[in-house]
Amino acid sequence: DAKTTQPNSMESNEEEPVHLPCNHSTISGTDYIHWYRQLPSQGPEYVIHGLTSNVNNRMASLAIAEDRKSSTLILHRATLRDAAVYYCILRINRDDKIIFGKGTRLHILP
Amino acid sequence: KAGVTQTPRYLIKTRGQQVTLSCSPISGHRSVSWYQQTPGQGLQFLFEYFSETQRNKGNFPGRFSGRQFSNSRSEMNVSTLELGDSALYLCASSFTPRASGGAGETQYFGPGTRLLVL
Repeated sequence: DAKTTQPNSMESNEEEPVHLPCNHSTISGTDYIHWYRQLPSQGPEYVIHGLTSNVNNRMASLAIAEDRKSSTLILHRATLRDAAVYYCILRINRDDKIIFGKGTRLHILP
Repeated sequence: KAGVTQTPRYLIKTRGQQVTLSCSPISGHRSVSWYQQTPGQGLQFLFEYFSETQRNKGNFPGRFSGRQFSNSRSEMNVSTLELGDSALYLCASSFTPRASGGAGETQYFGPGTRLLVL
């Protein structure tokens, strides 16, 4: 089964960039990479997604490795409000499954 | 546009009972997915419904079931509750399901229903 692997936790200083890695070595060509985050006592919130090319939006950037076996979520300037659990998710087209990683708990230091 | 709503937000049940949770998707969204979140297992996919049909199911026992109504609202039911069913149950909606090319589509999550089984 396809799966994702993320570090359990990371720390970053406020107003500095944060790079959150995700490994998905068994990804197939039509599988999308999604990132969601979950703040305390809330449901997950969409951050960004991509297929092959790097993606940017107002929240973050997603850098996808050329072989697509890994990706990195980039928060350009972390704030205290970015403290959350970040999930790297594969959306599998061929068998309709959603594979969640365990998530990375991001701590932002003031 | 109103977000995904889930009711109730909190629920306490005892072992052996059954429970029904409700989810109202964002207006216009026809796909509803359910997830179970526990500290030990993280987020796990339960099932997805689209146009009143179950499109996909995760690896959960038959005690977990769901349905979707013609207005896209969805319910999930857990029968014969066990202590291990204590969890946050999340509902997410999207316009299309993954099998119809929706793998690149955003899912919008509700706040969840926290179920405690005693």
